[in-house]
Amino acid sequence: TQLLEQSPQFLSIQEGENLTVYCNSSSVFSSLQWYRQEPGEGPVLLVTVVTGGEVKKLKRLTFQFGDARKDSSLHITAAQPGDTGLYLCAGYPSGTYKYIFGTGTRLKVLA
Amino acid sequence: KAGVTQTPRYLIKTRGQQVTLSCSPISGHRSVSWYQQTPGQGLQFLFEYFSETQRNKGNFPGRFSGRQFSNSRSEMNVSTLELGDSALYLCASRRGVGGASETQYFGPGTRLLVL
Repeated sequence: TQLLEQSPQFLSIQEGENLTVYCNSSSVFSSLQWYRQEPGEGPVLLVTVVTGGEVKKLKRLTFQFGDARKDSSLHITAAQPGDTGLYLCAGYPSGTYKYIFGTGTRLKVLA
Repeated sequence: KAGVTQTPRYLIKTRGQQVTLSCSPISGHRSVSWYQQTPGQGLQFLFEYFSETQRNKGNFPGRFSGRQFSNSRSEMNVSTLELGDSALYLCASRRGVGGASETQYFGPGTRLLVL
């Protein structure tokens, strides 16, 4: 079974703190996407990482794809209450056409 | 440009009944995928349609089926509903079948409650 394990599962932090969310698999991915989902809505794409070792920045969010393309991380600097939501990594394991999602990290940023 | 729309947004059914959910993709998008989201299992892939043909299918029983029409709108049907089918059903569309390089856009989902 191809799984994308995310850690931590839950995270509650104060505004201004930094945090890192991890997405790990035993499978190689041709690319990985990160989404944020808010209550009552569908996931919204944040970024796609394609190349092993790639780092992408989106304002206060930094995404990294592992060298072996089996893992990824999302780092948020100076978190704000607006960052609250469910963060999901997802992708196609190499050689498959079934899109799989990570187990999710539920983030709550307190003002 | 209108986003992905799903109808209905909320639905309550009883065990044994069947249900049909609808998804209208973004204009110009020909690929539609369906996902089930539950607290226990997370987001799981159901199936993907492109040009009225099912391209991929997840590991769900045959009670879950879908179809796509010539205008790219898609429906999914669940027959003989079980309590465990209670979930948020999400539809996503994209322009083609370009794989991971192509962005999927998700609708707001249909929340199904089976009593």
